[in-house]
Amino acid sequence: GQNIDQPTEMTATEGAIVQINCTYQTSGFNGLFWYQQHAGEAPTFLSYNVLDGLEEKGRFSSFLSRSKGYSYLLLKELQMKDSASYLCAVRALNQAGTALIFGKGTTLSVSS
Amino acid sequence: EPEVTQTPSHQVTQMGQEVILRCVPISNHLYFYWYRQILGQKVEFLVSFYNNEISEKSEIFDDQFSVERPDGSNFTLKIRSTKLEDSAMYFCASSDRSANNEKLFFGSGTQLSVL
Repeated sequence: GQNIDQPTEMTATEGAIVQINCTYQTSGFNGLFWYQQHAGEAPTFLSYNVLDGLEEKGRFSSFLSRSKGYSYLLLKELQMKDSASYLCAVRALNQAGTALIFGKGTTLSVSS
Repeated sequence: EPEVTQTPSHQVTQMGQEVILRCVPISNHLYFYWYRQILGQKVEFLVSFYNNEISEKSEIFDDQFSVERPDGSNFTLKIRSTKLEDSAMYFCASSDRSANNEKLFFGSGTQLSVL
């Protein structure tokens, strides 16, 4: 089976740094994705990790440890517009298609 | 930037009626997906489609659901006899699996309300 866990909610203030964790247990592993979803909108791609380590992209970074089944998304210099849900998703190696399986998402609220 | 488009943005239907949700994937993409998101819940995989056939489907995608690529641009999801619990946001997505890190591009969704 597939299981992806994230905290349900987090709060932070403008200008701060926040780390959103994700742990996964899947039947295989072929990459981990982070998506951002504003309320009522479609998920939009943020980052991708398939090898261990840190991927940095501007204010956002994502880390992966395959041996621990663990990833985190790091958001720096938080802005009000970063208030959204952050979805961790895994592509399992032995799935017939290339579908992503999503966690429940972490709702981040940024206050001034 | 190319985008996935979905129509209609909102669909209201009576229980037991058939609905067809429409999607136009990004033109050079080869893999197509339907996901759904019930209000307040997670994004759930329904089905993936490649080379004019279903690649994979989830337990949610039962006999009431079907997908079709009727022409070179459209990709549709049909729900044969809607139930109250089918009320959700339905997202279409597409990807270009030219590399292992292909990301899914999502459409803006169709909000389906079954009364």
